[in-house]
Amino acid sequence: QKEVEQNSGPLSVPEGAIASLNCTYSDRVSQSFFWYRQYSGKSPELIMSIYSNGDKEDGRFTAQLNKASQYVSLLIRDSQPSDSATYLCAVNTRNFNKFYFGSGTKLNVKP
Amino acid sequence: SQTIHQWPATLVQPVGSPLSLECTVEGTSNPNLYWYRQAAGRGLQLLFYSVGIGQISSEVPQNLSASRPQDRQFILSSKKLLLSDSGFYLCAWRSTGGVAYEQYFGPGTRLTVT
Repeated sequence: QKEVEQNSGPLSVPEGAIASLNCTYSDRVSQSFFWYRQYSGKSPELIMSIYSNGDKEDGRFTAQLNKASQYVSLLIRDSQPSDSATYLCAVNTRNFNKFYFGSGTKLNVKP
Repeated sequence: SQTIHQWPATLVQPVGSPLSLECTVEGTSNPNLYWYRQAAGRGLQLLFYSVGIGQISSEVPQNLSASRPQDRQFILSSKKLLLSDSGFYLCAWRSTGGVAYEQYFGPGTRLTVT
């Protein structure tokens, strides 16, 4: 079983809609959770981090964490074509020095 | 503010040739440093990480090695490249101060082995 799992997509949403990206993780003691955005040919860019159960909002982005169910999600409100990218979920587990990444979900926002 | 540099940006090397990729971080002290590889259309594979000068943890047995000769310098090397070494190589850093565990990536080196 992979440490972090994501649906590879592609997830297609119309411009202005809410995009919902999901991620599950296997290690129940995981402490820190991150979402990265990666445009084609570029390096990943950190967009959200979340450490506690519940929601964390930053502009159009909301990260949601449910440790009991071992999932973390990212909502993008008012999706724009510029949001089209691959979104990577990452988790710190028992060894805080190591990060485990999902394989990413490709998001297409259609004008 | 912190900045991470990687070079070269792109590299084309023949099979069997050596490799040296360099990564440096500015604006922070004693960071954790990481090397990842991303094959085309795939996720990130952690290759090495370092928590201090001379301290290297290897995650994947292969023909690559890493060294950290200075606090903010991380080098990825190979004596003989294989075709399977092609990919996008990413260096990343994480602060060891405070409680934040966020990791930041450099611009990457795209390696093609021919």
